[in-house]
Amino acid sequence: DSGVTQTPKHLITATGQRVTLRCSPRSGDLSVYWYQQSLDQGLQFLIQYYNGEERAKGNILERFSAQQFPDLHSELNLSSLELGDSALYFCASSARGGSDEQFFGPGTRLTVL
Amino acid sequence: DQQVKQNSPSLSVQEGRISILNCDYTNSMFDYFLWYKKYPAEGPTFLISISSIKDKNEDGRFTVFLNKSAKHLSLHIVPSQPGDSAVYFCAARGLGGGADGLTFGKGTHLIIQP
Repeated sequence: DSGVTQTPKHLITATGQRVTLRCSPRSGDLSVYWYQQSLDQGLQFLIQYYNGEERAKGNILERFSAQQFPDLHSELNLSSLELGDSALYFCASSARGGSDEQFFGPGTRLTVL
Repeated sequence: DQQVKQNSPSLSVQEGRISILNCDYTNSMFDYFLWYKKYPAEGPTFLISISSIKDKNEDGRFTVFLNKSAKHLSLHIVPSQPGDSAVYFCAARGLGGGADGLTFGKGTHLIIQP
């Protein structure tokens, strides 16, 4: 158990819909990262938040957004969903950032029908 | 354009022997490399890392070697055990701009045979 929790575990929805994925980092960790793992692309970095502020963006689509709240939990919002958005979404946290080890949650499996 | 490549999708090794997993990268801005292990239905678990200023890092049965001139790193597991059967991801950090997000390879499925 990494100490990072993600809800829900599974999510099934239809094209065009909007969903919210939630992540609680390890106690004391200030940085939260979101990754997408799809069959053909592997694990891809989407976005990083540090202590409530956006720190870095990776391959995140404009239809996706995220935020980190004062209690440090984070949410990833996916809108206008397409079939290709079906993937595993992982959240990771680290103490600060930089070379601090990133601890991954168990992931949320999103299926778009 | 894949910046971190793991060219072997799978690798089968006998229990007790050495497992060698390879990884190549193209971006010379990467300054920190990591290996993660992943079991089905779980998130990746950190295994070992190496800074670009070193060429070797060892932790128990796991050793990572870095060859900067060849832009190549490898993970050695000695001796291999059945519990080592998992997917191993190579990851790199350091694309500048303060980004700490990791760039992952597509993984190598290691199978340890009894």
